[in-house]
Amino acid sequence: ETGVTQSPTHLIKTRGQQVTLRCSSQSGHNTVSWYQQALGQGPQFIFQYYREEENGRGNFPPRFSGLQFPNYSSELNVNALELDDSALYLCASSRLGLAGDGEQYFGPGTRLTVT
Amino acid sequence: AQKVTQAQTEISVVEKEDVTLDCVYETRDTTYYLFWYKQPPSGELVFLIRRNSFDEQNEISGRYSWNFQKSTSSFNFTITASQVVDSAVYFCALSEAYQTGANNLFFGTGTRLTVIP
Repeated sequence: ETGVTQSPTHLIKTRGQQVTLRCSSQSGHNTVSWYQQALGQGPQFIFQYYREEENGRGNFPPRFSGLQFPNYSSELNVNALELDDSALYLCASSRLGLAGDGEQYFGPGTRLTVT
Repeated sequence: AQKVTQAQTEISVVEKEDVTLDCVYETRDTTYYLFWYKQPPSGELVFLIRRNSFDEQNEISGRYSWNFQKSTSSFNFTITASQVVDSAVYFCALSEAYQTGANNLFFGTGTRLTVIP
C-alpha cells in the first residue's frame, strides 16, 4: 500500500449535480495530482497542486477545480456533471523540491458514475 | 507534444510463457522519464519502474526486465515465465518536467495481459 487514501470509494450522481472527491497524501509529500481514467483508457492528467497552489493543468474545463489544504490533502470538485465524467478518479502524491524524488504514489481511486 | 503509444490492446499467454509489452513514446525534451505501472482489477496503479532519458541500461528485477532504446523511442517490458498473478493492465507513461516542475504523467492506453493457467 502507498499510504495515499481516497474517499469515497464509489459514488453515483445525476447529470448536472456537483461532486467533491477527497485525497489524503502520503506522509512527507507536498504535492497532489489528480487523474481521470475512463473505462478502457489510460489515466489523463487533470491538475496538480503544490504547496496549496495549482502547479499545472491538463486539458480539462474550468468546471473541474481543486484545493490543497495546509496538511497537503486535496479535493477535486466537479460542477455541472456530464455523463462523460463517469470514470475512475485517481490521486497521486509526491514530493517535489530538492528533498524529493518526485515519485508519484497512487491511491485506490474513486469510481464516479453519472446517470 | 508528448505521446505514449501501446499498440497491443490485449495479449493472452499460457502460464510460464514469456511475454513482451511494447511502448513507443514521443517527446521534444532531452530530459524525460519513463515509467511502467501495473493496474490489477482492484484499480490501484502499482509502480514498477522509472527510467531517466540518460540511462539506457537495461534493467532486470526478478522475472521482469525492461529494454530502453532511445534510437527507436521505445521502452519495452518483458515478463519471463509468466504467472496468473501477472494478469492485469499495464501502462507505460512519460514525464517531462519531473522534479523541476509539474511532474505529471502522460499515459498510454494500456495493454491488458491475461495469463491462462
